[in-house]
Amino acid sequence: DIQMTQSPSTLSASVGDRVTITCRASHSISSWLAWYHQKPGKAPKLLIYKASSLESGVPSRFSGSGSGTEFTLTISSLQPDDFATYYCQQYDSYPWTFGQGTKVEIK
Amino acid sequence: EVQLVESGGGLVQPGGSLRLSCEVSGFTFSDHFMDWVRLAPGKGLEWVGRSRHKLKSYTTEYAASVKGRFFISRDDSENSLYLYMNSLKTEDTAVYYCARDNYASGGYDINDYRGMDVWGQGTTVTVSS
Repeated sequence: DIQMTQSPSTLSASVGDRVTITCRASHSISSWLAWYHQKPGKAPKLLIYKASSLESGVPSRFSGSGSGTEFTLTISSLQPDDFATYYCQQYDSYPWTFGQGTKVEIK
Repeated sequence: EVQLVESGGGLVQPGGSLRLSCEVSGFTFSDHFMDWVRLAPGKGLEWVGRSRHKLKSYTTEYAASVKGRFFISRDDSENSLYLYMNSLKTEDTAVYYCARDNYASGGYDINDYRGMDVWGQGTTVTVSS
């Protein structure tokens, strides 16, 4: 199975900050990576697919980059609605796997 | 409005069985692959399995942790996806979500995949004696 490792596990930031989350795959997954975020008690929400393609309706302050084994999710200017847990997920091969999550907290 | 509604969760003893349902509306269910994903208490998201549609012979995929115990089926006439869970373990305790797979029009290659774009609100399964 492909292991996905995110860093950091927790991130404290303020509104307006630029935030970057890293996701590393144990094997190359080309660009077959998605990013989701989830708030407590709510369903996950798709942000990015194919490593860098923005899902329709997702604000442009979110961006993704990377290929192979190293990927990043960047939020250019953190907004109050962005405090959540973020997950990367590979869909290169089965079983699909998620990273352990990065909780973005208010500083 | 595109909607996915899960049901069937509850309290079950270890070794027991449960069937979860996901009823969809607002889109053509038979055109889409579908997934089950779970969130255990204090843990991260875990992909459980996938159901492909008729054109792909209704084939399925499963996570190693549930393979041989969980089975996914679908009824296109009822716009419903199901998760049959057998030999349940305490570690299966989680909120279970169904999600729709989105592909670019006309393609089902990995390059056409656009993520799990619609999710249900989840149903809670508790495995405990």
